[in-house]
Amino acid sequence: EPEVTQTPSHQVTQMGQEVILRCVPISNHLYFYWYRQILGQKVEFLVSFYNNEISEKSEIFDDQFSVERPDGSNFTLKIRSTKLEDSAMYFCASSGGTANTEAFFGQGTRLTVV
Amino acid sequence: QQQVKQSPQSLIVQKGGISIINCAYENTAFDYFPWYQQFPGKGPALLIAIRPDVSEKKEGRFTISFNKSAKQFSLHIMDSQPGDSATYFCAAPSRKNTGNQFYFGTGTSLTVIP
Repeated sequence: EPEVTQTPSHQVTQMGQEVILRCVPISNHLYFYWYRQILGQKVEFLVSFYNNEISEKSEIFDDQFSVERPDGSNFTLKIRSTKLEDSAMYFCASSGGTANTEAFFGQGTRLTVV
Repeated sequence: QQQVKQSPQSLIVQKGGISIINCAYENTAFDYFPWYQQFPGKGPALLIAIRPDVSEKKEGRFTISFNKSAKQFSLHIMDSQPGDSATYFCAAPSRKNTGNQFYFGTGTSLTVIP
């Protein structure tokens, strides 16, 4: 069964450092997303990406965040200068080309900023 | 930030009982309302979803009831089992017709007691 793959599963970084979280969406999907989940809290939408550009972003997705699809298979989230409050699980998701279709989530990357 | 209000925050049910979780949403660009189930350490996984050309959808022990005029929908778990113990998130589409992104409710932690 196709799945969304995220690497690494756990990343520890020092405050102020840049991190890149990587995702390989399901191959024939066209929409890509990043969500985050602070421990014990709800899943929060960060950004959606379609046709090589951001289609929507939330208030959380400020200038320190960026996304990229550097090739035909990877989708990355970069945090330029990490803060302690960026510590969370980050989930990548992808969905097919039409509305009303399921979003498939990866297993997540646990980011710990120290 | 678009809001999806979910209640209760936590729920304890005896095995065999009925679990009911409620969600209320704001205007959306399209009508497709999923429920996700999340086990500890895992990403959210689609449980059941409804397209509101119907007011109810049932899949096994899981039923979504939908009230479009009230902008509310609920998840009913019949004959709840200990294996149903998880966090449940409702989700609603963005109000912007720019993709397939969803905003999640705050989550309900369900514990089914044997």
